[in-house]
Amino acid sequence: QVQLVESGGGLVKPGGSLRLSCAASGFTFSDYYMSWIRQAPGKGLELVSYISSSSSYANYADSGKGRFTISRDNAKNSLYLQMNSLRAEDTAVYYCARVGWVAAVFFDYWGQGTLVSVSS
Amino acid sequence: EIVLTQSPGTLSLSPGERSTLSCRASQSVSSNYLAWYQQKPGQAPRLLIYGASSRATGIPDRFSGSGSGTDFTLTISRLEPEDFAVYYCQQYGSSPLTFGGGTKVEIK
Repeated sequence: QVQLVESGGGLVKPGGSLRLSCAASGFTFSDYYMSWIRQAPGKGLELVSYISSSSSYANYADSGKGRFTISRDNAKNSLYLQMNSLRAEDTAVYYCARVGWVAAVFFDYWGQGTLVSVSS
Repeated sequence: EIVLTQSPGTLSLSPGERSTLSCRASQSVSSNYLAWYQQKPGQAPRLLIYGASSRATGIPDRFSGSGSGTDFTLTISRLEPEDFAVYYCQQYGSSPLTFGGGTKVEIK
């Protein structure tokens, strides 16, 4: 069965950095686009970024452009999100999610999320 | 950017009742690329519907999606206790991808 397990969240000071990881199993990772979606406490969902299966293309929400970098290692079945210059408003649960179809970016499987808290 | 407005914000219903949730887009959603997700407290969202009306794998047939253009609906024909949750719509027809603000279905 498809499993996505995030790690790397935690408490970080404003201006700090964090690298999130997502370990995937139960499907051919290299065949799928992958994404990061976040949810601030008590709020709705926001797409952060997604990346193509071969890493040739990445898309970012305006909120993370220039600060966040998505990447993947198909040999390790892993997805990453490097987050720099973190702000209080980046505080959220970050979900790793599989994109259902190429060029039809809905999310058919989600991990349980990892909490990122940005506070001094 | 396409803004998705979900209504009502909260729906109070009893088990066995029919539930109708609305998702209205500020512009037409290309190719009816509209998905619905269910989220229970402390859990990740789960895909219910994609392409406005196609059920995802393992989703019971009491869940159905309909609509086109700017108006979409998620219907739960008979609410089961496990269906009380928050529901989000998401459009993927144009960039940036956007989510609606959610509808909470609570027990009356």
